[in-house]
Amino acid sequence: GAVVSQHPSRVICKSGTSVKIECRSLDFQATTMFWYRQFPKQSLMLMATSNEGSKATYEQGVEKDKFLINHASLTLSTLTVTSAHPEDSSFYICSARPPLNTGELFFGEGSRLTVL
Amino acid sequence: GENVEQHPSTLSVQEGDSAVIKCTYSDSASNYFPWYKQELGKRPQLIIDIRSNVGEKKDQRIAVTLNKTAKHFSLHITETQPEDSAVYFCAASSGGGNKLTFGTGTQLKVEL
Repeated sequence: GAVVSQHPSRVICKSGTSVKIECRSLDFQATTMFWYRQFPKQSLMLMATSNEGSKATYEQGVEKDKFLINHASLTLSTLTVTSAHPEDSSFYICSARPPLNTGELFFGEGSRLTVL
Repeated sequence: GENVEQHPSTLSVQEGDSAVIKCTYSDSASNYFPWYKQELGKRPQLIIDIRSNVGEKKDQRIAVTLNKTAKHFSLHITETQPEDSAVYFCAASSGGGNKLTFGTGTQLKVEL
């Protein structure tokens, strides 16, 4: 199957700092990538849809100025959590689907963010 | 938007028994229904999916059924094994499957 990779897998930061998470599609080009957030023992909640070459589409209730998404190439999307606070601590997972594939979404390994 | 409900939230079965997880969805335009398995701290992995033009699909010990009229779909795992223990998520999407809405998850525990 297709491969999606995320980095870093774990990050610990201090309150007020910004953290960048990268999502790469390794063996296909992805014009669209999806960013999810998952709190402990909860479901995956879609935060935003990342569109290559254009602005991301954010879900209701997600602050676009806090969660900056950049999709500058067909294989890379980044999520930057700005001015992080402890309540932003979560598991962030990206996903993508190969072109012409209307089925399976492939997920990255996830990035566990802990804000102290 | 789409709303997906999933039951039960936890399910404990004896090894060899069957497990059934049920989901309902709200958007009649949804046409793609995948099931994902997620082990602790890891990424979700697709185990089976079904489209709205099919009522049932089976892959070895795993099967999924879909009732479009009632807007519900179910996952069936037969002859459960300890390695089936994980959290299972159902999901639904429409419009080419671009946007997946996940259910709340079911923690399945298969006991020896």
